[in-house]
Amino acid sequence: KAGVTQTPRYLIKTRGQQVTLSCSPISGHRSVSWYQQTPGQGLQFLFEYFSETQRNKGNFPGRFSGRQFSNSRSEMNVSTLELGDSALYLCASSRALGQDPTEAFFGQGTRLTVV
Amino acid sequence: AQSVTQLDSQVPVFEEAPVELRCNYSSSVSVYLFWYVQYPNQGLQLLLKYLSGSTLVKGINGFEAEFNKSQTSFHLRKPSVHISDTAEYFCAVSLNQGGKLIFGQGTELSVKP
Repeated sequence: KAGVTQTPRYLIKTRGQQVTLSCSPISGHRSVSWYQQTPGQGLQFLFEYFSETQRNKGNFPGRFSGRQFSNSRSEMNVSTLELGDSALYLCASSRALGQDPTEAFFGQGTRLTVV
Repeated sequence: AQSVTQLDSQVPVFEEAPVELRCNYSSSVSVYLFWYVQYPNQGLQLLLKYLSGSTLVKGINGFEAEFNKSQTSFHLRKPSVHISDTAEYFCAVSLNQGGKLIFGQGTELSVKP
């Protein structure tokens, strides 16, 4: 069974540009969550999508957005990149039937560097 | 609001020694508790979880954790560590809200020969 796949693994962008990251969840999983990991702030929740709808949102500016497609694949977009957006972005998928917490399976992440 | 505090940022231990990684949480409602491990340049892997029932939870790789509601703690233990256990460990909580996890700052476990 394939795991959570994130593409690309590494990305270098310039300040002011925008970027789109992709996440393919485990087959059958309908919930996809995104996290930002930095040395200073640790792991912070960005948002969660379930059945193409955003169900939870963290405390990030509107430059961070996401979406989920009918096949449960998800993308997150960051516009007007800042140096502080340099981070490892992790995607996690889970079955998330109803509102019960289930095991979240994480991808290997996308390492974004903003220069 | 919920929060998680991992009391030690770094824990150095010798191989075959026991280890305890400490985690305290704050919440006004019941939460679900998790420990994840992250190896360099990798994502997170679930070690164990507490949802309900027995307060002593056993996980993978010989790890176990005990949920203590009165002390709002969920400490992770292993009786004998290996070099391969060197990694960063994260404690996390979740409300009954589906996929949202709130993580602690992480504890870097360094196992020395």
